[in-house]
Amino acid sequence: DAKTTQPPSMDCAEGRAANLPCNHSTISGNEYVYWYRQIHSQGPQYIIHGLKNNETNEMASLIITEDRKSSTLILPHATLRDTAVYYCIVRVASNSGYALNFGKGTSLLVTP
Amino acid sequence: GAGVSQSPSNKVTEKGKDVELRCDPISGHTALYWYRQSLGQGLEFLIYFQGNSAPDKSGLPSDRFSAERTGGSVSTLTIQRTQQEDSAVYLCASSSRVGDQPQHFGDGTRLSIL
Repeated sequence: DAKTTQPPSMDCAEGRAANLPCNHSTISGNEYVYWYRQIHSQGPQYIIHGLKNNETNEMASLIITEDRKSSTLILPHATLRDTAVYYCIVRVASNSGYALNFGKGTSLLVTP
Repeated sequence: GAGVSQSPSNKVTEKGKDVELRCDPISGHTALYWYRQSLGQGLEFLIYFQGNSAPDKSGLPSDRFSAERTGGSVSTLTIQRTQQEDSAVYLCASSSRVGDQPQHFGDGTRLSIL
């Protein structure tokens, strides 16, 4: 799987958009970008994933650059409950199954 | 709908004892994964089941660790002769099929070895 690079920490004011970047410059054409988050004492929570096109769901939006070497997860109106560690993961969609490599992620602190 | 369920949520045991951890995946999910997360660390892959295929055990740290999945649903992770370094949160995940479908996680079992 391609390696990802994320800033170790970020702050965001409550109610503002949180934009979390991820670099994956060695991504291959068949690798997807996944985002998860982990709130203290809970298991990782799936947020969103995409291959080439931008994606949006009820939780967030995923913007993938045209060359696919980086992406941004956008939480449009951050709340205090969005404080968590956010993980950007790149992996192949394989019928053989694939373990996820979570790395260190970005610790997002949403402040009042 | 119901998510991945793990039990017990917490387990404290003495060094040298055997422990069993249980995972109930989301109904209909054919793939099941076990990970562990030591304090302040990232997730470490342990083992993966897909349908009736032989499991991928490449992440198991020693032969004290084993797992089974009965009837293609519930899975148990067994740790024999526990050691203090086995203390961690053990997380289970399932997915509806392989390919691009995401894994969904339970909240884990926090295992403490005294």
